[in-house]
Amino acid sequence: TQLLEQSPQFLSIQEGENLTVYCNSSSVFSSLQWYRQEPGEGPVLLVTVVTGGEVKKLKRLTFQFGDARKDSSLHITAAQPGDTGLYLCAGVYYGQNFVFGPGTRLSVLP
Amino acid sequence: GAGVSQTPSNKVTEKGKYVELRCDPISGHTALYWYRQSLGQGPEFLIYFQGTGAADDSGLPNDRFFAVRPEGSVSTLKIQRTERGDSAVYLCASSLGAGAQETQYFGPGTRLLVL
Repeated sequence: TQLLEQSPQFLSIQEGENLTVYCNSSSVFSSLQWYRQEPGEGPVLLVTVVTGGEVKKLKRLTFQFGDARKDSSLHITAAQPGDTGLYLCAGVYYGQNFVFGPGTRLSVLP
Repeated sequence: GAGVSQTPSNKVTEKGKYVELRCDPISGHTALYWYRQSLGQGPEFLIYFQGTGAADDSGLPNDRFFAVRPEGSVSTLKIQRTERGDSAVYLCASSLGAGAQETQYFGPGTRLLVL
């Protein structure tokens, strides 16, 4: 069974601060996705990364895929209360279906 | 357009009962996934359909769980002899095609509570 770890588990910050959350595995991903989930709703896809070393930007969010394709990070600049939610990474290992991490629960206080 | 819908939104049942959870995917999406999400955890893969057939059912925890998609659209997840440990949010997702780079669109989930 492949395992994905995410850190930190919980994060509470003030509006305007920057933050980084991490997703790690001991195995190589063929691709990795980041999702955001709000209470009572299903996860919503933010980005898919495929190439080792790849960096993608989505407004104030920057996603990086590690060179070895075993880890990824999500950096948020100038966090806003609307960024509050559960951030999930989901990895695809070769020949297998999506494996989700436990998530980082982010709270941005006004 | 309409997204993925799931019914019921909440289901309370007693231990030992049978339940059915329904998923209506986005029209035209050939791939359909079922996940289970326990409190404080990420979604756990259960089963994946490509069209009418189950392409991968390796995530189903035991033979009390079964899912069908007879016409390649709506899917039903069936749980027999429910146990308290089955309590979770059951999420359904659909995508236009199969593949790791396809976007999965999730429904809001069915919250199952087994008393």
